[in-house]
Amino acid sequence: EVQLVESGGVVVQPGGSLRLSCAASGFTFDDYTMHWVRQVPGKGLERVSLITWNGGSAFYADSVKGRFTISRDNRENSLYLQMNSLRTEDTGLYFCAREKDRLVDYWGRGTLVTVS
Amino acid sequence: EIVMTQSPATLSVSPEERATLSCRASQSVRSNVAWYQKKPGQAPRLLIYGASTRATGIPARFSGSGSGTEFILIIRSLQSEDSAVYYCQQYNNWPMYTFGQGTKLEIK
Repeated sequence: EVQLVESGGVVVQPGGSLRLSCAASGFTFDDYTMHWVRQVPGKGLERVSLITWNGGSAFYADSVKGRFTISRDNRENSLYLQMNSLRTEDTGLYFCAREKDRLVDYWGRGTLVTVS
Repeated sequence: EIVMTQSPATLSVSPEERATLSCRASQSVRSNVAWYQKKPGQAPRLLIYGASTRATGIPARFSGSGSGTEFILIIRSLQSEDSAVYYCQQYNNWPMYTFGQGTKLEIK
């Protein structure tokens, strides 16, 4: 069974930093591109970042470019999101998700980040 | 960026009835549309991909249609557990995929 478990979400002040983690199991982690997607109150789902299977390429939403860094450790089956210079508009529920052939097919339950 | 617009924002339907959810793309996304179901405290669940293909384990009560810019998700024989927010997503313009703002489905 595919499982994605996010952690690291807390309350942080504007300008602060945070590192989110996602533990993956139930599939061959290094076969897949992985994503971070967030659910912002009142605004629905928003892609944040993705990283290819070997970490060779990463993409970011314009709203987080230069502030967030995605990474992965294929030996530990883990995905990370380093979040710096946090803003109140970064508040939301952050999901880790797996992609297969451009389709995001499995998601975690999310971890809540509050910037206040 | 391709904008996905969902309607209605909220839909209230009686059990055993049918719900019709709409999604419009600001430009053609061919058939590269997925639908997700999101319940509070749960992970989003993939329902439909390729505009009309049900994901593994999704009951036949859920069906999708459309191509180009207009897409529909129909849920037949509504049950209480179908109460959720439903999101459409285009993945034609990968990696710049985008979601609609969601339709909240309430079962009366």
